[in-house]
Amino acid sequence: EAGVAQSPRYKIIEKRQSVAFWCNPISGHATLYWYQQILGQGPKLLIQFQNNGVVDDSQLPKDRFSAERLKGVDSTLKIQPAKLEDSAVYLCASSHVQRHTDTQYFGPGTRLTVL
Amino acid sequence: ELKVEQNPLFLSMQEGKNYTIYCNYSTTSDRLYWYRQDPGKSLESLFVLLSNGAVKQEGRLMASLDTKARLSTLHITAAVHDLSATYFCAVDMIGNTPLVFGKGTRLSVIA
Repeated sequence: EAGVAQSPRYKIIEKRQSVAFWCNPISGHATLYWYQQILGQGPKLLIQFQNNGVVDDSQLPKDRFSAERLKGVDSTLKIQPAKLEDSAVYLCASSHVQRHTDTQYFGPGTRLTVL
Repeated sequence: ELKVEQNPLFLSMQEGKNYTIYCNYSTTSDRLYWYRQDPGKSLESLFVLLSNGAVKQEGRLMASLDTKARLSTLHITAAVHDLSATYFCAVDMIGNTPLVFGKGTRLSVIA
């Protein structure tokens, strides 16, 4: 079974520029998550999708971050404009459905550096 | 607000020794997870603990859950270098809310 795919793996941009990340979850997984992991910290949820609907985006800085999951499969996360404090690893995860025993499987992440 | 605290945050241990990592959480929870993260890599699921008294073991790692104390432990037996990594616990509240992670424990096993 293929894992969660993300691209790009690395991205360096200057502040105020825009950037987009892509995630392809494990086939058949209805739930998709985007996390932000700042160096030295645990991941923090940005947004959660169930199929193509948003379940939780309470911690997403909506003035600059946006995400979509068209057709309930792939997802993109966009930052516009980027700030220095957005430097982090952006992790995508997926799970089958929100069942009691489901585990979230994480992709390799996109390391963003904002200069 | 659900908070998750791990300790220690840094752990240097000798090969062959035993040690325990602790994970405390602040409110009633439905599930507790342990993940491993190697430098520059993503998170690998180790254990999912679902009920009070749950104990799971995989190789030299054993995880347990005490929901009354809101405490989970990850016990390392006879550590080997390959176990060097950062270990995270994560919790979600009843009702399938998002995972909240601890800050992680960076484990270094030295000869």
